Amino acid sequence: GNSVTQMEGPVTLSEEAFLTINCTYTATGYPSLFWYVQYPGEGLQLLLKATKADDKGSNKGFEATYRKETTSFHLEKGSVQVSDSAVYFCALGGGTSYGKLTFGQGTILTVHP
Amino acid sequence: KAGVTQTPRYLIKTRGQQVTLSCSPISGHRSVSWYQQTPGQGLQFLFEYFSETQRNKGNFPGRFSGRQFSNSRSEMNVSTLELGDSALYLCASSSGGPNSPLHFGNGTRLTVT
Repeated sequence: GNSVTQMEGPVTLSEEAFLTINCTYTATGYPSLFWYVQYPGEGLQLLLKATKADDKGSNKGFEATYRKETTSFHLEKGSVQVSDSAVYFCALGGGTSYGKLTFGQGTILTVHP
Repeated sequence: KAGVTQTPRYLIKTRGQQVTLSCSPISGHRSVSWYQQTPGQGLQFLFEYFSETQRNKGNFPGRFSGRQFSNSRSEMNVSTLELGDSALYLCASSSGGPNSPLHFGNGTRLTVT
């Protein structure tokens, strides 16, 4: 079956540091890949997505590239802000999975001033 | 455009009772999915409805059920509540297409005592 593995957290960074959160997946077929972010007390917000190999998703300074050869979708940001502190989830879905996303376990990011 | 609305935000129930949670999707979205989020199991898919029909289902016992109305609003019901049902229940809506991203509400926090 499908599965998503994210790097262990929590991750603690200083403001303006470079961020990488690793995500690898196992799936049959050609899934779509997503990054979601969850702020305290809220639901999940879509951060970015990629639907096919070599696609790059980007939003608010975050980027991730769909790498089929390494089955990865690592999240990066060049300069993090305190406001980026949240939990980040990598997920896969698409095709006939109809509303079903398979999520990673989440990575807690804390950014200090 | 209004986002996904879930009511109520918080619920406290006693073991053995039943509960109904409500979800109003983004206007124009015909697909509604439900997820359970717990610290131990993470995000787990419950089921998805599209045009009043259940299209996909996760691995939850029959105590968990749902339905969707003609206006795309959805309800989820849990009968004979157990302590382990305490969780954040998230609803998400989408257009229902194969790669369409999910848009999540802020969830209903259910506590079973």
